[in-house]
Amino acid sequence: SQELEQSPQSLIVQEGKNLTINCTSSKTLYGLYWYKQKYGEGLIFLMMLQKGGEEKSHEKITAKLDEKKQQSSLHITASQPSHAGIYLCGADMHGGNQFYFGTGTSLTVIP
Amino acid sequence: EPEVTQTPSHQVTQMGQEVILRCVPISNHLYFYWYRQILGQKVEFLVSFYNNEISEKSEIFDDQFSVERPDGSNFTLKIRSTKLEDSAMYFCASTLWTPGTGELFFGEGSRLTVL
Repeated sequence: SQELEQSPQSLIVQEGKNLTINCTSSKTLYGLYWYKQKYGEGLIFLMMLQKGGEEKSHEKITAKLDEKKQQSSLHITASQPSHAGIYLCGADMHGGNQFYFGTGTSLTVIP
Repeated sequence: EPEVTQTPSHQVTQMGQEVILRCVPISNHLYFYWYRQILGQKVEFLVSFYNNEISEKSEIFDDQFSVERPDGSNFTLKIRSTKLEDSAMYFCASTLWTPGTGELFFGEGSRLTVL
């Protein structure tokens, strides 16, 4: 069973539009990470959230972890073609040494 | 900036052959991971390694897989007898702390093609 679900699965937006990607877990998250993957390439760390209610921003990307630490959202403001790629949330949900990724969200930004 | 390096970047092999994928984690890191991504699919956890032994492994990590840290710097993934379905991108990662407390650093990946 999939423990980290992302929605939507794919997203196509016009350049300049805002968008939100969600990551939901059935269990409490021991830290939630957001990564970006360009097609066929490696994973780029975006940010990590640890505390319930925490919110972090980097350039035009903001991520938030809800109070119960079971859902996170990633928001991109004024999207650009450089934002295109696959966004992955990742977390350790078992308190051990397993780190799982979500199902991924493919983002296309149309110039 | 320190980085995780992986070799080879691409390997083509015949079905049934043994393959070793190599990773050099960041030097002071303590936790090491291998992930697999079949083309167009999600990134899947294979195994985690700490203190010179496997700490967790997934159902994918069956007897044909093994990991080793032979010399204190390299971290290898061996696939004993490759199958067509082993074709994927394999990512190595390392972190200084346990997951949830620090960034997991990833290598650029090794693409394995099994013919």
